[in-house]
Amino acid sequence: GAGVSQTPSNKVTEKGKYVELRCDPISGHTALYWYRQSLGQGPEFLIYFQGTGAADDSGLPNDRFFAVRPEGSVSTLKIQRTERGDSAVYLCASSLTAGTDTGELFFGEGSRLTVL
Amino acid sequence: QKEVEQNSGPLSVPEGAIASLNCTYSDRGSQSFFWYRQYSGKSPELIMSIYSNGDKEDGRFTAQLNKASQYVSLLIRDSQPSDSATYLCAVSGSARQLTFGSGTQLTVLP
Repeated sequence: GAGVSQTPSNKVTEKGKYVELRCDPISGHTALYWYRQSLGQGPEFLIYFQGTGAADDSGLPNDRFFAVRPEGSVSTLKIQRTERGDSAVYLCASSLTAGTDTGELFFGEGSRLTVL
Repeated sequence: QKEVEQNSGPLSVPEGAIASLNCTYSDRGSQSFFWYRQYSGKSPELIMSIYSNGDKEDGRFTAQLNKASQYVSLLIRDSQPSDSATYLCAVSGSARQLTFGSGTQLTVLP
């Protein structure tokens, strides 16, 4: 597709449930990032993939959060036993390459997660 | 101390004025610096990048970097109501990911 696609755009779930958020990056982009953005805050880094492997998962808040990118394209962010504090907009971004010399991340429109 | 600090605002300027947005960062090893614009309810989009000390101009936008002071700024000349948005400062250092500030909300008054 032309841009980064994220589904669902909105997800409402109950505390304790499991959710999956999907990201389809721009074709040919090898680097994929997940960020989380709470109201009034900047995006907070969660995890970054270079190809199929998670190159840096230091931002995942705890072991309830997990992400995969099995074929080096689409990625899924998985959240187990959701808590109200997980409510946020989850942003996916991709870039052509990954490295400290480029910051041109192309963001999707985000998945808004609400945990009741 | 947060890694990337911005004044949250809101900052209001009249149409046609210069808007000045500031950012400081804590990691002296930071190499790359970016300004993203985020309209309400939308995703961030890159508007400026700067890698070396000094000024970088692109149209109405000028980014300024001072690594000794660990300071980066964005000037918007001839501000327009369409510039009203949240401006996010982002820094890339030794880790291969961007760290964002909390953003400055800018309102340009017609």
